[in-house]
Amino acid sequence: DAGVIQSPRHEVTEMGQEVTLRCKPISGHDYLFWYRQTMMRGLELLIYFNNNVPIDDSGMPEDRFSAKMPNASFSTLKIQPSEPRDSAVYFCASSPHTSGETQYFGPGTRLLVL
Amino acid sequence: DAKTTQPTSMDCAEGRAANLPCNHSTISGNEYVYWYRQIHSQGPQYIIHGLKNNETNEMASLIITEDRKSSTLILPHATLRDTAVYYCIVKYNFNKFYFGSGTKLNVKP
Repeated sequence: DAGVIQSPRHEVTEMGQEVTLRCKPISGHDYLFWYRQTMMRGLELLIYFNNNVPIDDSGMPEDRFSAKMPNASFSTLKIQPSEPRDSAVYFCASSPHTSGETQYFGPGTRLLVL
Repeated sequence: DAKTTQPTSMDCAEGRAANLPCNHSTISGNEYVYWYRQIHSQGPQYIIHGLKNNETNEMASLIITEDRKSSTLILPHATLRDTAVYYCIVKYNFNKFYFGSGTKLNVKP
């Protein structure tokens, strides 16, 4: 099992540009989570999906952030337009329904907005 | 919603047991206690979880007090690779974990 796959691993962009982060969950997992981690705020849940449907997006900071899950094997987190305060590590995690809430995290995407 | 309190940092000698405490005094009866760790620059990694009985797996043991207000994660023989931030988590809503600040465990040779 390859685990949760995220791309890109590093992204450097300029303020105002659109940024798209990608995630491939573990095959067979029903839940997918997007987190953001910063030194100031720690690890925060942004949104999570169940069977490709967004369930709770209350952690999404503002309308500049959007997430989609078009199928069971792919999700995107988009920031448009990006701002320097969006600089963070973004993690994707997935969870199989049968294991309760154990979540398996990807390696993260380190985003720097200049 | 139950929250957790953990020491900011701890040291442990390599080969010795590391005992990481967590206070979750407001935990409710059906809430599990989860432990994750995050090694520098990596994603958090699941370690163990439990409800009220002690649990053990290949990575660690989890001891939960009878009143469930606190727990201890035990790494029986810490190695340098166990140096990480350890998070004690009580989920605060369905599928929503509050990670908190965690405990930075420094395993020293």
